[in-house]
Amino acid sequence: GAGVSQSPSNKVTEKGKDVELRCDPISGHTALYWYRQSLGQGLEFLIYFQGNSAPDKSGLPSDRFSAERTGGSVSTLTIQRTQQEDSAVYLCASSREGSGNQPQHFGDGTRLSIL
Amino acid sequence: QKEVEQDPGPLSVPEGAIVSLNCTYSNSAFQYFMWYRQYSRKGPELLMYTYSSGNKEDGRFTAQVDKSSKYISLFIRDSQPSDSATYLCAMSGGSQGNLIFGKGTKLSVKP
Repeated sequence: GAGVSQSPSNKVTEKGKDVELRCDPISGHTALYWYRQSLGQGLEFLIYFQGNSAPDKSGLPSDRFSAERTGGSVSTLTIQRTQQEDSAVYLCASSREGSGNQPQHFGDGTRLSIL
Repeated sequence: QKEVEQDPGPLSVPEGAIVSLNCTYSNSAFQYFMWYRQYSRKGPELLMYTYSSGNKEDGRFTAQVDKSSKYISLFIRDSQPSDSATYLCAMSGGSQGNLIFGKGTKLSVKP
């Protein structure tokens, strides 16, 4: 596609439920990143994929968070047993490669609200 | 000390003014420096991308990087109401390129 696509754009769920967020990167981009944006915290790095591999999961806040990427394209971020502190905007970005010398382009995010 | 510091504002200027936005950082390994613009309920949009020290100009926007001072700036000339948004600085230096962001400066340009 022309840009990074994320779905759903909004998600409201009850505490304790599992949620799955989807990211479709720009075609041909091998690197994919997940970030979280919350009030007062700014944008925080969660996880990075190069192809289907995730060499850096250091930003995942707890073991309730996991992510996968298949076919070198679409990625899903899963949050299990959601907590209220998980409420935030989850942003996905992609770049041509993950070496750091390529700019990242962002989707519009999924706004997650935990009741 | 946070890795990237950015004054959150808000910053309000009249239309046509020159706007100066700044970030400081502590990690000397950072080599790539970016400015993103974010409108409400939208994702960050890349404005400027620079490598190492120096200046880069694109239309009304100029980005400056001073690695010796660990200081980066974005200048907006002839500011327009459509420039009203939150401006985020970001930087990276590692081999995988995950970005470290400032918290953003909220800019309002009044007609």
